[in-house]
Amino acid sequence: EPEVTQTPSHQVTQMGQEVILRCVPISNHLYFYWYRQILGQKVEFLVSFYNNEISEKSEIFDDQFSVERPDGSNFTLKIRSTKLEDSAMYFCASSEEARSYEQYFGPGTRLTVT
Amino acid sequence: QKEVEQNSGPLSVPEGAIASLNCTYSDRGSQSFFWYRQYSGKSPELIMFIYSNGDKEDGRFTAQLNKASQYVSLLIRDSQPSDSATYLCAVSRQLIWGAGTKLIIKP
Repeated sequence: EPEVTQTPSHQVTQMGQEVILRCVPISNHLYFYWYRQILGQKVEFLVSFYNNEISEKSEIFDDQFSVERPDGSNFTLKIRSTKLEDSAMYFCASSEEARSYEQYFGPGTRLTVT
Repeated sequence: QKEVEQNSGPLSVPEGAIASLNCTYSDRGSQSFFWYRQYSGKSPELIMFIYSNGDKEDGRFTAQLNKASQYVSLLIRDSQPSDSATYLCAVSRQLIWGAGTKLIIKP
């Protein structure tokens, strides 16, 4: 069964450093998403991406964040200058169609900022 | 501020009984509603989605939507220990999430 994959599973970085989180969505899916979940808190939407551009973004997704689909398979989230409060689990998700709200989540990347 | 509210629990239910999970939302214009299951340390897994008022059944799961009351629920029949998890309610294309209800099924 096809699945969303994410790398790395755990990333430790120092405050102020740049990190890139990587995702490989399901191959025939066209819509891609990033979410984050701070430990013990609710899932928070960050951004959605379609046709090589951002469709929607939340207030959390400020200038420190960017997304990119550098090739036909990867979808990346970059955090330019990490802060302690960026420590969280970051989930990538994908869905097949414009009107298909059935999103499939990857296993997540745990980001720890020290 | 658009909100989704869930009782954090834990909700403890005997094995074989019906578990009832509830969610209320503030945005009256919301059109799509989702239930996810999340095991500790894992990613959310889609259980059910519902767009229209009424009930939608899928196996042991039934989602119920009442837009007038801004209320969506999930019923799990014949609860199994493997159903023990946190259940997340999400609204409007997963843009707004509840904090989840922790469900414990007691053998």
